Parts: sequence; structure tokens; C-alpha cells
Amino acid sequence: GAVVSQHPSRVICKSGTSVKIECRSLDFQATTMFWYRQFPKQSLMLMATSNEGSKATYEQGVEKDKFLINHASLTLSTLTVTSAHPEDSSFYICSARQGPNYGYTFGSGTRLTVV
Amino acid sequence: GESVGLHLPTLSVQEGDNSIINCAYSNSASDYFIWYKQESGKGPQFIIDIRSNMDKRQGQRVTVLLNKTVKHLSLQIAATQPGDSAVYFCADSDNAGGTSYGKLTFGQGTILTVHP
Repeated sequence: GAVVSQHPSRVICKSGTSVKIECRSLDFQATTMFWYRQFPKQSLMLMATSNEGSKATYEQGVEKDKFLINHASLTLSTLTVTSAHPEDSSFYICSARQGPNYGYTFGSGTRLTVV
Repeated sequence: GESVGLHLPTLSVQEGDNSIINCAYSNSASDYFIWYKQESGKGPQFIIDIRSNMDKRQGQRVTVLLNKTVKHLSLQIAATQPGDSAVYFCADSDNAGGTSYGKLTFGQGTILTVHP
């Protein structure tokens, strides 16, 4: 079945630094990838949708200059949290799909802690 | 689903009981619905899905019911087991895509606890 690998699973960084999270589709080509953020005991909130080779579409209220998304290939999308602050601490999850008639495959998530 | 920044509702059941988890969605254009199970510290795990041209679909020990009139979705788990303990989310999509590329909107979620 379709597998999405997300790395790292956990990261601790200092306030003001940047962190990159990778999302890879291992056995399929992901034309579309989605990035979610989840705070403790809350639901998943969509941050942005990225399509290979084009700019990401950000949801309302998500700062595109703070959360940089790159989807340069059909198997890799990255989310970079720039100038991270403690309030950016959260669980970040990616999802990928091969196309409109395919299902969604989720990564295992990245726990970001900014100290 | 309708996702709000509140803490998740909970459902506690005894092992062997049937569980029913409910969800409301708001997008009338949604035509594809999925139930996910999420364990602590992990990504969502697919359980079952249903398209808008159906009102019921059954899987192994699980059944999803869709009521488009009131924009309501439910997940029934038969003979609930301790291993079913997790957070359950519904998600909906305008799978026709267009400019949304079929993005999923997650519902609030329910914490299911199964007592042995």
C-alpha cells in the first residue's frame, strides 16, 4: 500500500531558529501534498496544499513567509518553520495523494518543541 | 467536519459493547467522507470511507452512515475492543477537486476509551 515517510518524528529547537520537516511518498508519486498542524487534544487544521512544481496554497491565517513549503519533486515536500517561537510548538502532519481519484496517505507526524 | 478549537468530547464503553461516534460537517459540496483513527503521537489511520451517492457502507466491525440532509456522519464499531481506544476523526472533501485539490477538512474528533 501507499506509504508516506515523515522526518524527523521529534525535534527540539531554540527560539529564533528554523526547522525543516520532510514528507516523502515512498511507493507512489504524490501530485498533491497537504500539511496539517495539530495542537494537543484538538483536531487537525489544514495549513496548506502543495502541488508539485507550483506554489503552495495557504489556508486563511497561515503565514506563508513563516511556514515555507516546497514541493520540488513528485515524492518530496518540505515544510520549513522559520524563526520558530514557542507558540509554533505543535504536531505537524503531512498527507499525500496520487491524484483526484486516489485516497489520502498520512505521515506519522513531527512533534516540534520550541524552547 | 466542523472543527473548533475546543477540547475533544469523550466516549467510554465496556469491552464488547457497540460504539457510535457522531460527526457533523458543514460543506454542502462535500462528496467524499472518511473516518480516521489516531493513536497518541501518530498520524491518522484510515478506517473506512463513503461517497455521497451512498448512505451506508460496512467494513470489518465498522459501519459508516451518511445523512446528507442534515450533514451528519456516524461511525459504528461493533464489539469494541481495548485496542480500539484512540481518537476518531471524520473528514470530508469536495473530491471533485477544482481549485481545492480535494483537501480534507477534519471534524472535531472524539476520544474513545474502551474498558476491559
